[in-house]
Amino acid sequence: RKEVEQDPGPFNVPEGATVAFNCTYSNSASQSFFWYRQDCRKEPKLLMSVYSSGNEDGRFTAQLNRASQYISLLIRDSKLSDSATYLCVESNTGKLIFGQGTTLQVKP
Amino acid sequence: GAVVSQHPSRVICKSGTSVKIECRSLDFQATTMFWYRQFPKKSLMLMATSNEGSKATYEQGVEKDKFLINHASLTLSTLTVTSAHPEDSSFYICSASPRGGLREQFFGPGTRLTVL
Repeated sequence: RKEVEQDPGPFNVPEGATVAFNCTYSNSASQSFFWYRQDCRKEPKLLMSVYSSGNEDGRFTAQLNRASQYISLLIRDSKLSDSATYLCVESNTGKLIFGQGTTLQVKP
Repeated sequence: GAVVSQHPSRVICKSGTSVKIECRSLDFQATTMFWYRQFPKKSLMLMATSNEGSKATYEQGVEKDKFLINHASLTLSTLTVTSAHPEDSSFYICSASPRGGLREQFFGPGTRLTVL
C-alpha cells in the first residue's frame, strides 16, 4: 500500500467551479500534512499546511481527519491559473512523503 | 527570501558518464538538504537526506555508491550520479531546510537529466 494515495485524475472543470481533492495516508504517526502545487516540469511549491481544525486561505480550504487518515483540499471559484498538479504530502521526522498528485485542468 | 538554486537545470549525457548536480541555498543556511527524484507522472521520491558535515542518509533502495552526496557547507550540497544509464533519466529536485528554523522545506527548480 502506498504511503500517500491520491486519485491522479485528471479533473476537468469549468472556470468558476468548485472542486475537491482527497488523499489518504497510511502512517498514523504522521505529524504534519501539506498540499503542494506542481506546475508542469517545475518544482513543487507549498500551497498550504493542513491542520486538524481545518484551515482556509482565500479560495482554498484544507481539512484533516486523523481518525480516518484522510486529507482534503477544496478549491472554490476555480481559475484557469489553478490548472496544475496538486500533491498531498505527509511529514514524519522531517521527511516529506509525496502522493502521486491529482491533476486539475480548468477550462474556460 | 528562502531561495534555493540548482545547477544545471538540464543535462544530456552519454551512458557511462558521471553527472554532478549542485544545490545551493542562496539567502539562508541549510543544515539539512534533501534530494528527490521524480519520474514522469510519478510522485517525488526522497532519495537521501544530507546533513552538513556528515554522511548522507539514503532511503531504502537507493544505491549510495551510485548517487554520491556531499554537503560540505551550509549552503551547498551536491549529488553526483556516477556511471549514469538511461534508467537514471529523471527530474532531480533538491530542497533545503533553514538552520534553526521550522521544518519547512524550500525546493530548488530541479535538474532534468537525460542519459542517452
